[in-house]
Amino acid sequence: GEDVEQSLFLSVREGDSSVINCTYTDSSSTYLYWYKQEPGAGLQLLTYIFSNMDMKQDQRLTVLLNKKDKHLSLRIADTQTGDSAIYFCAESMTTDSWGKLQFGAGTQVVVTP
Amino acid sequence: DTAVSQTPKYLVTQMGNDKSIKCEQNLGHDTMYWYKQDSKKFLKIMFSYNNKELIINETVPNRFSPKSPDKAHLNLHINSLELGDSAVYFCASSQVPGTSVHEQYFGPGTRLTVT
Repeated sequence: GEDVEQSLFLSVREGDSSVINCTYTDSSSTYLYWYKQEPGAGLQLLTYIFSNMDMKQDQRLTVLLNKKDKHLSLRIADTQTGDSAIYFCAESMTTDSWGKLQFGAGTQVVVTP
Repeated sequence: DTAVSQTPKYLVTQMGNDKSIKCEQNLGHDTMYWYKQDSKKFLKIMFSYNNKELIINETVPNRFSPKSPDKAHLNLHINSLELGDSAVYFCASSQVPGTSVHEQYFGPGTRLTVT
């Protein structure tokens, strides 16, 4: 996605917090999503946030949305080795009712002991 | 009882050949998708079908032809394969879309290697 940008790599120690950042350009985005891809597997939806929200918390996951800067972040508390994966940010547009998602390039998260 | 399944998981073939990838979902969803993930992990939608009708058709060479015999199946046929077609192809499905949030369920992917 040329419209959705993410940093490509993040290394974090087990037990620390991870923060993955994403910027998007389409102000008409309705929902913003975080998907997780483990090695050799398909993508799995982790969490999402509606565009009129600022924050959403779901167990170890916290999503922050700054609409003014078009910036989305995913914080993973107490990062575990099982959190090692590629994390994709994605947006869907109000004008598109058919579920078309625009994905970022993904952030490879490596958790070290 | 896999939700979204794809066959084959790996496909190695020579340039110029024609091949098909199959996808099936048992979630009762109305909408299915094909995505292409390149070597840099960039994921881009190719096609989407809703109740067997094509609803999203991105800029994809016409060598790629999706077919949906029923709403639980979406197959992808590729003619005259080229080296640049090498990628991982993901099938996904979701419930009737709209302006509400919808979760897309992804298959495990098919790694296509064209030699």
